Amino acid sequence: DAKTTQPNSMESNEEEPVHLPCNHSTISGTDYIHWYRQLPSQGPEYVIHGLTSNVNNRMASLAIAEDRKSSTLILHRATLRDAAVYYCILVSGGTSYGKLTFGQGTILTVHP
Amino acid sequence: GAVVSQHPSWVICKSGTSVKIECRSLDFQATTMFWYRQFPKQSLMLMATSNEGSKATYEQGVEKDKFLINHASLTLSTLTVTSAHPEDSSFYICSVLGLAGLRDEQYFGPGTRLTVT
Repeated sequence: DAKTTQPNSMESNEEEPVHLPCNHSTISGTDYIHWYRQLPSQGPEYVIHGLTSNVNNRMASLAIAEDRKSSTLILHRATLRDAAVYYCILVSGGTSYGKLTFGQGTILTVHP
Repeated sequence: GAVVSQHPSWVICKSGTSVKIECRSLDFQATTMFWYRQFPKQSLMLMATSNEGSKATYEQGVEKDKFLINHASLTLSTLTVTSAHPEDSSFYICSVLGLAGLRDEQYFGPGTRLTVT
């Protein structure tokens, strides 16, 4: 399975933008890039996903490098409720259809 | 998005007993569900893939006779931890694959905290 690399932790101030990077240099052409986040003692929550083009939704934006070897999750204005562990995950087909392999993720701390 | 529920949200059981955890997809029929577990301070680890009407597929190292999965309907998958021991204490989470498959998000349940004494 293609792996992702994320920083262990990042910090931000409330109301400021946050850019969470993810490297996935071994991504294959059919892998989707998914982002999920998890608050303590809760199940993960979907944030955004994309294949090749940048994506926007009400929660965040996903910027995908042209070679697809990296991506960045952008929270435009961080709030205290955005403090969570953020996971960047490659989702592929074939025998691994739909399976999510969670790495350690990035712990985001948001300061008031 | 889809709503996924789990029951119970937490359970404490004695060593040697069995515990059943339910995962329900409340607003669409799910042919594929996944079961994860998460130990304290660790990330989620996939245990098995549950397909409606067929046997579950277990990940390497997960004992299929210990973690029984039944996906008898399109809205319900159950995970039974048989002869539970303290090392099975963990946070168990299910997810549902969206109707659009890989192009779709996955919907997670709120998790079940199992403590084996």
